Amino acid sequence: AQKVTQAQTEISVVEKEDVTLDCVYETRDTTYYLFWYKQPPSGELVFLIRRNSFDEQNEISGRYSWNFQKSTSSFNFTITASQVVDSAVYFCALTINTNAGKSTFGDGTTLTVKP
Amino acid sequence: DVKVTQSSRYLVKRTGEKVFLECVQDMDHENMFWYRQDPGLGLRLIYFSYDVKMKEKGDIPEGYSVSREKKERFSLILESASTNQTSMYLCASSPFAAGSNEKLFFGSGTQLSVL
Repeated sequence: AQKVTQAQTEISVVEKEDVTLDCVYETRDTTYYLFWYKQPPSGELVFLIRRNSFDEQNEISGRYSWNFQKSTSSFNFTITASQVVDSAVYFCALTINTNAGKSTFGDGTTLTVKP
Repeated sequence: DVKVTQSSRYLVKRTGEKVFLECVQDMDHENMFWYRQDPGLGLRLIYFSYDVKMKEKGDIPEGYSVSREKKERFSLILESASTNQTSMYLCASSPFAAGSNEKLFFGSGTQLSVL
C-alpha cells in the first residue's frame, strides 16, 4: 500500500520569507509519480508539478522549486520570497504506475502568508 | 478552458435522505474519481471509474455508490445519508495514458451537510 506523509499541518510565515513544505512517501513500486497540488480558499485543487520516479532532477519554476530525493523518499516543495497569494492548502500525492491515475494524498499543509 | 463541474457548491440534507452529487467534465477524460476531504485527513478516495459503466471501490466506499452512464458524467450516491457523511466532496478526472499517470483535474467541490 502507498502512503504519503505531510508532517507539517500548518505553517505561518511573513511575506518574503522562504518556506519549505515537506513530503515523505512510501511505496514498494519502482515506478511511480509524485505530484503537488495547491488548494486556494476557492476550493479547487490546482496541479503544480508531476515527477516520475526515474527523474530525480530538481525543478524550479519561478518562485517555486521542488527537491526530489529517492534515498530519503522525499519530495519537498520550497516557495521563495513568499507572497500573500501563496496562502493555501498544499497537497502532496503519489500514484503508482497504473492506467487509472488513482492517487494517494497526504493530509495537506495549510500555509498562511501574512503581510 | 478545461473544466470539471460539480452541480452544487453547498448542499444541506436530512439524515436518511438519498443524495445525488453530480460531476461533469468536458475534456473527454476516461478516468473519473470521487474523493472526500475532511480536516486532518486529507483526500480519501471513495470510488473511481475507468470507463463508462465501469467502477471500482476506493479506500472508503461504505455508504456510497456511483453511476457512470455517460463518459462525461460521474455521479456519487449516498443511499441513506448519515451525519458522518458531512464533508467536502471533490470530483476529479484525468485522461487515460498507457505507461504513465496524468495529473488530476478537480472540480470546486460540494460541501455537504447532513443534519
